[in-house]
Amino acid sequence: DAGVIQSPRHEVTEMGQEVTLRCKPISGHNSLFWYRQTMMRGLELLIYFNNNVPIDDSGMPEDRFSAKMPNASFSTLKIQPSEPRDSAVYFCASSRGQGAFFGQGTRLTVV
Amino acid sequence: KQEVTQIPAALSVPEGENLVLNCSFTDSAIYNLQWFRQDPGKGLTSLLLIQSSQREQTSGRLNASLDKSSGRSTLYIAASQPGDSATYLCAVNTGANSKLTFGKGITLSVRP
Repeated sequence: DAGVIQSPRHEVTEMGQEVTLRCKPISGHNSLFWYRQTMMRGLELLIYFNNNVPIDDSGMPEDRFSAKMPNASFSTLKIQPSEPRDSAVYFCASSRGQGAFFGQGTRLTVV
Repeated sequence: KQEVTQIPAALSVPEGENLVLNCSFTDSAIYNLQWFRQDPGKGLTSLLLIQSSQREQTSGRLNASLDKSSGRSTLYIAASQPGDSATYLCAVNTGANSKLTFGKGITLSVRP
């Protein structure tokens, strides 16, 4: 298996623009997580899904953030409108209950 | 609310030294605990997973132990090498399909 695949790897966008991050989990994994990593706050859970259903979105900073998982092999995290404070590395991870496996992350820069 | 602490935040050791990285958590009702390695600008690589019923796991020069009752885990690295330089993160899981709660990590530097 190719592991968790995230795209794009890097994204630079202007403040106010919409940003969409994508994730393909490992086949057979039924849990998917979106994390954000910054120097100041470390790794923070934004939202996670079990069997494509959002279970806990309490980490989503505000209404500008939304996440979807339309099927077992794809998820998106959308920020609209983006702001400079959203600049961070966004990680997607998947699991089937025996440890989580992470993608390489998307480095987002909002200017 | 589960909180995970890793102290110190950074550690520098000479090559060849055996070392221990510590992780503590506040809620002992965990399902499993996972140690990760992160190289600069890269994703997280899983090193070891310890189930709540286990006391330790080993992989090569790495050994992770778990003491659930005291809320502690340690990652032991034998005969450290410069290639071990990275950030090591500990994360606890409270259920089979639940979220991981991470510590802030320990940045390890192994000097040649």
